[in-house]
Amino acid sequence: DSGVTQTPKHLITATGQRVTLRCSPRSGDLSVYWYQQSLDQGLQFLIQYYNGEERAKGNILERFSAQQFPDLHSELNLSSLELGDSALYFCASSEGGKRSEAFFGQGTRLTVV
Amino acid sequence: AQSVTQLGSHVSVSEGALVLLRCNYSSSVPPYLFWYVQYPNQGLQLLLKYTSAATLVKGINGFEAEFKKSETSFHLTKPSAHMSDAAEYFCAVSDAGGNEKLTFGTGTRLTIIP
Repeated sequence: DSGVTQTPKHLITATGQRVTLRCSPRSGDLSVYWYQQSLDQGLQFLIQYYNGEERAKGNILERFSAQQFPDLHSELNLSSLELGDSALYFCASSEGGKRSEAFFGQGTRLTVV
Repeated sequence: AQSVTQLGSHVSVSEGALVLLRCNYSSSVPPYLFWYVQYPNQGLQLLLKYTSAATLVKGINGFEAEFKKSETSFHLTKPSAHMSDAAEYFCAVSDAGGNEKLTFGTGTRLTIIP
């Protein structure tokens, strides 16, 4: 158990819909990262928050947004969903800082039908 | 821009044989390098990391990796494969200059033959 909790574990939704994925980081970790794992794109970095502020942005679509709340949990919002958004979405957390280790949650499997 | 290339999307070894998973990196700045393992329906677990200290890095479960700057490589090895090593392995790179995001390779699926 990494200590990072993601909910829900599975999500099935229709095209055009909006969903919210939730991540609770390990106790004490200030950084939260979101990654997308799909068969055609592999593991891709989406976005990082550190102590409530956006720190780095990767290949995140404009239809996607994220935030980190004062209690440090984070949410990834995916809207106007398309079939190609079906993927495993991972959250990871770390203390922050370039040497710190990122701990990954078990992921949310999103299926868009 | 940083990237990693994992040679061989599938590797099969016999139980007890040497495991060698290859990773080459490209980075314009000194890199930090990582190996992660993913078991079915699980998240990623860190096996080991190189952060510019010793070039030979020992990790969990008997794995180790050697950073070779001249070859831009960070290959993962284990002297004797165990059935429980069957999983997908990912090499990743981050920017030692401070950008903490990980750039992953495409992964290598390791199968252990009894």
